[in-house]
Amino acid sequence: GAGVSQSPSNKVTEKGKDVELRCDPISGHTALYWYRQSLGQGLEFLIYFQGNSAPDKSGLPSDRFSAERTGGSVSTLTIQRTQQEDSAVYLCASSLDYSGSLEDQETQYFGPGTRLLVL
Amino acid sequence: AQSVTQLDSHVSVSEGTPVLLRCNYSSSYSPSLFWYVQHPNKGLQLLLKYTSAATLVKGINGFEAEFKKSETSFHLTKPSAHMSDAAEYFCVVSDTGNQFYFGTGTSLTVIP
Repeated sequence: GAGVSQSPSNKVTEKGKDVELRCDPISGHTALYWYRQSLGQGLEFLIYFQGNSAPDKSGLPSDRFSAERTGGSVSTLTIQRTQQEDSAVYLCASSLDYSGSLEDQETQYFGPGTRLLVL
Repeated sequence: AQSVTQLDSHVSVSEGTPVLLRCNYSSSYSPSLFWYVQHPNKGLQLLLKYTSAATLVKGINGFEAEFKKSETSFHLTKPSAHMSDAAEYFCVVSDTGNQFYFGTGTSLTVIP
């Protein structure tokens, strides 16, 4: 079946402009995550959506970053007034419900990422 | 607080020789642990995961990892490296199921 898709695959923008990155999770997956991967770094957690619960925004690096998830499916990550340090690969992942049991903890399925370059 | 340390940023092995990628974690609870692989220009793919069942976990492509609580380690191994194993490998820890902490990655090079 279809995996997680992200668009655009590449985005070049000028400093100070706003960008929107899109994630289409696997159908039926209620959990959705955004990560940032900078060159030579591990993945940095940004935000987590689980069903209709309030999102966990604890990883967002500044108030220029925001994300929404409409209808429990597609998610958009918005970066306002982009800075050069925002240049990175932005990865989206989805998974089935977290049941509360570590035994049942579900696997994250990752999209191919959006490579953002801020000039 | 949870964290993951991948002790080697780069590992180079000859084709057909064993692979060892090291990972140590810290967690306040009984963690779940994962290894993901990222091939060039490809998405992250789960290799294997540990969720408090058997401590020796077998994954795809002949990889396995052993959870050692006393050493807080979850090293990834493979008996014989293949050229197609060349990639970036990430160790991941989670103890709540809704936040995952990634190591900085280990780049594996396989020499023909």
